[in-house]
Amino acid sequence: KQEVTQIPAALSVPEGENLVLNCSFTDSAIYNLQWFRQDPGKGLTSLLLIQSSQREQTSGRLNASLDKSSGRSTLYIAASQPGDSATYLCAVDCTGTASKLTFGTGTRLQVTL
Amino acid sequence: GAGVSQSPSNKVTEKGKDVELRCDPISGHTALYWYRQSLGQGLEFLIYFQGNSAPDKSGLPSDRFSAERTGGSVSTLTIQRTQQEDSAVYLCASSERQYNSPLHFGNGTRLTVT
Repeated sequence: KQEVTQIPAALSVPEGENLVLNCSFTDSAIYNLQWFRQDPGKGLTSLLLIQSSQREQTSGRLNASLDKSSGRSTLYIAASQPGDSATYLCAVDCTGTASKLTFGTGTRLQVTL
Repeated sequence: GAGVSQSPSNKVTEKGKDVELRCDPISGHTALYWYRQSLGQGLEFLIYFQGNSAPDKSGLPSDRFSAERTGGSVSTLTIQRTQQEDSAVYLCASSERQYNSPLHFGNGTRLTVT
């Protein structure tokens, strides 16, 4: 059974810092990995999707990497801003036939002024 | 354009009552998913619809839970004889295609069973 772990569970950084969020998964037989952010009381917003054949994806200040063989992904946020404060979730798709994702429990990020 | 819409946003019900939760996906998205987010348990897959295919119900926790998707668009998740452990946020998502397509989530329905 696939298990997804995110460390740390919570993180507080001052504005402007670069930071890395970590995601690990136990079964490397994945089809893709997605990173989401969730604001309080809201649904999830898709940030980046990395297919199993890819090593990284970039969107603006965000860069996600994937090392499938070691079961790890990182989300790098450059020049953090208070608006980046949210919970960040990673999720893996192990089925290949449907996006039936297995989610991590998230990292709660606070960017302070 | 419009995102995934869910209603109601909040629902409080008494134990034993039935509830219906509604999801209106993004127009043109062929795939629709229901997930449940419980405090301390993360997100849990419930059910998946793809086009006109039979739904994947493998995540439904009991036979009190059912869902349908009419006309390939709007979906309704029904919970019969609600229990306190059903209290959670129920999230609906849709995606443009079946494979390697980002999920777009609604804001969820917060269900509280008293």
